[in-house]
Amino acid sequence: ELQLVESGGGLVQPGGSLRLSCAASGFAVTTTYMSWVRQAPGKGLEWVSVIYSGGTIYYADSVKGRFTISRHNSENTVSLQMDSLRVEDTAVYYCARGLGPGIVLDFWGRGTLVTVSS
Amino acid sequence: QSALTQPASVSGSPGQSITISCTGTSSDVGGYNYVSWYQQHTGKAPKLMIYEVTTRPSGVPDRFSGSKSGNTASLTISGLQAEDEADYYCGSYTSSRTLLFGGGTKLTVL
Repeated sequence: ELQLVESGGGLVQPGGSLRLSCAASGFAVTTTYMSWVRQAPGKGLEWVSVIYSGGTIYYADSVKGRFTISRHNSENTVSLQMDSLRVEDTAVYYCARGLGPGIVLDFWGRGTLVTVSS
Repeated sequence: QSALTQPASVSGSPGQSITISCTGTSSDVGGYNYVSWYQQHTGKAPKLMIYEVTTRPSGVPDRFSGSKSGNTASLTISGLQAEDEADYYCGSYTSSRTLLFGGGTKLTVL
C-alpha cells in the first residue's frame, strides 16, 4: 500500500531551524522525484522544492538559501531542512510523489504543521 | 513569481457543468503541456485530478476534463455532484523548472 508519512513539525521561534522527514512505503523514493508543498493556514498551495531521482534539486525563490531537500535511500525517506525560519513559513508541509515530466504530484502525505512564532 | 490566476469561487447545481479557468504566461501555462489540477477537500491532502492538460489518473471520473488555449487552462466538471464540493488548484511547470500553483477556486454545489 502506498504511504507517505510526514513528521518533524512543531513550534519554532523566528530564526530557528526544523527538519521535516517524509517516510515512504509501497514504492522507492529513488525511482521517481519527490516534492515538498506547503499551505499556510487558510491559504493556497505553494510549491517548495523537488529532488529528482538523479539528484537534481530545485527550490522556490521564497525558500532558496534557507531550505535544503535531501533523500536517504536506505531509509526510503526524503527530508527538508529548514533554517532561518520566518513567521511567513508557518504552514502545513506536504510531501508528494512525482509522476512523469513537468512536476506532477500524484500521491500526497497528510502533512505536518510548522508554526513559526515567538 | 506570482501565482496563476484562478477565480476565487464558482458554484453550480447538481447535474450542471462548471468550468474553472487558470491563467498564466508563456513561461508556464502557455509554454508547456504540463498543467495539472488538484482537488482538496477541507482538512485533507490534495488529490491529483488531471495532468498533462487533459489526462485523468486512474480512478478519476470522466466527468472531470481539462483543456488549454494559449496561456489559459481550464478544468470542466460535468454532471456536478455533491462530493465535488472542494477547493481546486491548477499547477503548471515553469521555465525555471519549478511548479507554480494557482490561488485556488472554491467550488460550491448548491
